[in-house]
Amino acid sequence: KNEVEQSPQNLTAQEGEFITINCSYSVGISALHWLQQHPGGGIVSLFMLSSGKKKHGRLIATINIQEKHSSLHITASHPRDSAVYICAARAGGGADGLTFGKGTHLIIQP
Amino acid sequence: DVKVTQSSRYLVKRTGEKVFLECVQDMDHENMFWYRQDPGLGLRLIYFSYDVKMKEKGDIPEGYSVSREKKERFSLILESASTNQTSMYLCASRADISYGYTFGSGTRLTIV
Repeated sequence: KNEVEQSPQNLTAQEGEFITINCSYSVGISALHWLQQHPGGGIVSLFMLSSGKKKHGRLIATINIQEKHSSLHITASHPRDSAVYICAARAGGGADGLTFGKGTHLIIQP
Repeated sequence: DVKVTQSSRYLVKRTGEKVFLECVQDMDHENMFWYRQDPGLGLRLIYFSYDVKMKEKGDIPEGYSVSREKKERFSLILESASTNQTSMYLCASRADISYGYTFGSGTRLTIV
């Protein structure tokens, strides 16, 4: 069974700071997802990646398959980035669904 | 804009009741999923479906069943609700394995 660990659990930063959230997983995967959940519950899919790096606006996601590790970076952070960020791993071999990390609660203070 | 719609944002039901949570997607997606989210445990997969009338158990199927009679609708059923099923329930859909997931807004279910 895949184990997905995120760090830190909680992160408070000042507006403008560069943010890094880490995700590690225990078994080989076919894809790694980064999700964002705002208060109220709705979840938005930010990235799906299986190798390398993806960028969307101020968000960057990277993955190192050999080290079983992924990072989510936020440049020039803003209070509207405050949310819970969740990584989720999809195992290969025909398995479906996702194994989720417990999430990182990010607060960006003005 | 593509959408996954869950029928209720908040629901309160009594112990022992049969509870139906509905999820509808307008994207013609093959795959649909039901998760529950609890503090400290994250999201856990209850059931998923690859196609109409197909269903597969996830990690925590006990006490739940599902129904997929039409491609766009995936229903989660609590056969006899219990207080330990109080949780946030999230539905998601996906076109196929090479695409990301689209989530609904969630249903916060309280069993009293």
